[in-house]
Amino acid sequence: TQLLEQSPQFLSIQEGENLTVYCNSSSVFSSLQWYRQEPGEGPVLLVTVVTGGEVKKLKRLTFQFGDARKDSSLHITAAQPGDTGLYLCAGAFHIQGAQKLVFGQGTRLTINP
Amino acid sequence: DTGVSQDPRHKITKRGQNVTFRCDPISEHNRLYWYRQTLGQGPEFLTYFQNEAQLEKSRLLSDRFSAERPKGSFSTLEIQRTEQGDSAMYLCASSSGQVSSYEQYFGPGTRLTVT
Repeated sequence: TQLLEQSPQFLSIQEGENLTVYCNSSSVFSSLQWYRQEPGEGPVLLVTVVTGGEVKKLKRLTFQFGDARKDSSLHITAAQPGDTGLYLCAGAFHIQGAQKLVFGQGTRLTINP
Repeated sequence: DTGVSQDPRHKITKRGQNVTFRCDPISEHNRLYWYRQTLGQGPEFLTYFQNEAQLEKSRLLSDRFSAERPKGSFSTLEIQRTEQGDSAMYLCASSSGQVSSYEQYFGPGTRLTVT
């Protein structure tokens, strides 16, 4: 069974604080994607990391792919209330001509003003 | 710009009834995926199409579930004889045919409630 563990599952912090969300697996992925999902909506792609050790930045969000391509982290600097939402990591496995995504259970982030 | 669209957005049905959902992918995308998401969990892969060919099916897809993509454009997911355990958000995603493209773009989902 392919498993992706996200931690923490819930996080509530004050505006302006920093935070890190972790995504871990014993499996090696061809790539890893981070999504953000609002209630009642589908996940929205934030970033894709492909190369082991890769770091990508999206404004105050920093994404890192582990050297062995088994884990990833999302770091948010100076969190704002607008960052509130469900963050999902998804590891990609090759299937016939495409990639199947295996999702973590998500981290529900609340930023309090 | 038209992203992935799904219809209906919400469906309430009684146990034992059949339901059908539709997904329209991004127009130039030839790969289409169905996922199911239950409350408090991440989405789980159900099935995948490349053009009109269904190339991968999860064991989650019981024989009551069938998916089609007859002309390689839109897709339908049908659930026969619905059960309360089928209540979930059904998500569709699409990706381009470029070998280097790993990115899947999701629709807004269809929330199914079986009473």
